[in-house]
Amino acid sequence: EAQVTQNPRYLITVTGKKLTVTCSQNMNHEYMSWYRQDPGLGLRQIYYSMNVEVTDKGDVPEGYKVSRKEKRNFPLILESPSPNQTSLYFCASSLGGGGPSTDTQYFGPGTRLTVL
Amino acid sequence: EDKVVQSPLSLVVHEGDTVTLNCSYEVTNFRSLLWYKQEKKAPTFLFMLTSSGIEKKSGRLSSILDKKELSSILNITATQTGDSAIYLCVIAQGAQKLVFGQGTRLTINP
Repeated sequence: EAQVTQNPRYLITVTGKKLTVTCSQNMNHEYMSWYRQDPGLGLRQIYYSMNVEVTDKGDVPEGYKVSRKEKRNFPLILESPSPNQTSLYFCASSLGGGGPSTDTQYFGPGTRLTVL
Repeated sequence: EDKVVQSPLSLVVHEGDTVTLNCSYEVTNFRSLLWYKQEKKAPTFLFMLTSSGIEKKSGRLSSILDKKELSSILNITATQTGDSAIYLCVIAQGAQKLVFGQGTRLTINP
């Protein structure tokens, strides 16, 4: 089944403890992206990648890192999480490097992160 | 500053009614306008609009883009309780970046 998977789905952690949220897609998509969703602020883009080894910042990249070493995986790394990074995180992918402006974007199920 | 504004923010109607959701935008490097439906979790894709005046339809849903007015509408006819969701308007910019509206929370009462 074609899908975008994220792990973990739920995570409670403490300030400063490094964590990684994994994202994987099995559709051979070139474009992948991370978003966070917060009440009253809606969805905001954190980072995106148009292909392997090509990443760029979205609107809210501070405090996050990403890497794209293989096409299927796009992990989100929080080196030193803080409470203001408590949020619902979505990974998404679309077929071509042009991203969602040209191809349908598929979202993962979301990861709810709480930083105490 | 790039922005996407949706109205209304919240709407409650009865099953069978027709609704119109609005989206206006001010962005640089416009490439396309996207509509998504978000129920309990992840958004799902509805429409991609790139050309002005061409209506896209999928069942009871339809949408059209007006590039002159920098706006789009999403229509849902004969609403059903399953249409209850948050509807997101999103602008895709030339650099593969997205700008999201706040969403319209639509509630359909039986």
